[in-house]
Amino acid sequence: EPEVTQTPSHQVTQMGQEVILRCVPISNHLYFYWYRQILGQKVEFLVSFYNNEISEKSEIFDDQFSVERPDGSNFTLKIRSTKLEDSAMYFCASRAGSDYQETQYFGPGTRLLVL
Amino acid sequence: AQTVTQSQPEMSVQEAETVTLSCTYDTSENNYYLFWYKQPPSRQMILVIRQEAYKQQNATENRFSVNFQKAAKSFSLKISDSQLGDTAMYFCAFMKHGPQKLVFGQGTRLTINP
Repeated sequence: EPEVTQTPSHQVTQMGQEVILRCVPISNHLYFYWYRQILGQKVEFLVSFYNNEISEKSEIFDDQFSVERPDGSNFTLKIRSTKLEDSAMYFCASRAGSDYQETQYFGPGTRLLVL
Repeated sequence: AQTVTQSQPEMSVQEAETVTLSCTYDTSENNYYLFWYKQPPSRQMILVIRQEAYKQQNATENRFSVNFQKAAKSFSLKISDSQLGDTAMYFCAFMKHGPQKLVFGQGTRLTINP
């Protein structure tokens, strides 16, 4: 069964460093999402991406964040200058895009720790 | 803005029992989707079940079923014949029709005891 994959599974970085989180969505999916979950809290929406542009972003997704689909398979989330509060689990999700395929399928997540 | 509320932070039942997790939501939309996701200790988000708001029939997936009350904006999850592998965090989520974001509740930590 097709699945969303994410790399790395864990990342430890120093405050102020740039990190890039990578995702490979399910191959025929058209809509891509990033969510994050701070430990012990609920999952929060960061950004959605369709047709090579951001379709919606949350207040969390400030100028330090960016997303890119550099080729036909990868979908990346970049944090330019990490802060301690960016420590969280980051989930990528993808959705097929037809009217009755509303389910978003999640990857296994990247656990980011900022020291 | 939509909100999702899960009023039970933690629940615990014995193996083979039936358990019901509660979820309420607030929206002015008429066309939307509701989901239950399971998050085991590995922290992966796994879809359990989905419900389309336009369908009156409650969704079922094997041991998992929902009680969808649209007027009351309630969407509870019933797990029958609970198993040890059902131990996880369970998140209720709302999504408007179309390529929209998921809005999650705070989660319910469910423990199945042997």
